[in-house]
Amino acid sequence: DAGVIQSPRHEVTEMGQEVTLRCKPISGHDYLFWYRQTMMRGLELLIYFNNNVPIDDSGMPEDRFSAKMPNASFSTLKIQPSEPRDSAVYFCASSFTGGLSDTQYFGPGTRLTVL
Amino acid sequence: ELKVEQNPLFLSMQEGKNYTIYCNYSTTSDRLYWYRQDPGKSLESLFVLLSNGAVKQEGRLMASLDTKARLSTLHITAAVHDLSATYFCNLGRDYGGATNKLIFGTGTLLAVQP
Repeated sequence: DAGVIQSPRHEVTEMGQEVTLRCKPISGHDYLFWYRQTMMRGLELLIYFNNNVPIDDSGMPEDRFSAKMPNASFSTLKIQPSEPRDSAVYFCASSFTGGLSDTQYFGPGTRLTVL
Repeated sequence: ELKVEQNPLFLSMQEGKNYTIYCNYSTTSDRLYWYRQDPGKSLESLFVLLSNGAVKQEGRLMASLDTKARLSTLHITAAVHDLSATYFCNLGRDYGGATNKLIFGTGTLLAVQP
């Protein structure tokens, strides 16, 4: 399996622009997570889905952030409009509940820089 | 408020030495995960501890879980430079509960010096 795939790997944009991050989870996984990592705040959970349904979005910082999962193999995280404080590495992870544990498998991340 | 605290936050150690990283958490949980993150890279799973008293070992790393004390430890034996990374603990999802336990610890940055 190719693992969790994220695109783009790097994104540089200007303040006010719309940014869309993409994630393809591991096939067969039923949970998908979006995290943000910064030096100041560490690793924060933004939102997670179960079988394409959002379960907890309490970590989404504000209305500028939105996430969707239209099918089991694709999810997006959108920031509109972007601000410099959104600069971070965004990770997508997926997990499968059918086994003994639900270890999360992380994608390579998208490094977002908002100028 | 759920807290997952690791200490130390930063650990500089010499090759060949032993040390322990601690993960304390503030709620009940029957499982705990350890992840490793290399600089500029993503997180990868190291250990899954699924019950009180669980102990897992791989190479120079050994993890244990005491659910009654709400404590997990990651012990490093005879450290080598390749172990230099940031280590995170995490409780995973809350099965059937209302509490979101998907909080990662602050991370412990381990630097092994020759």
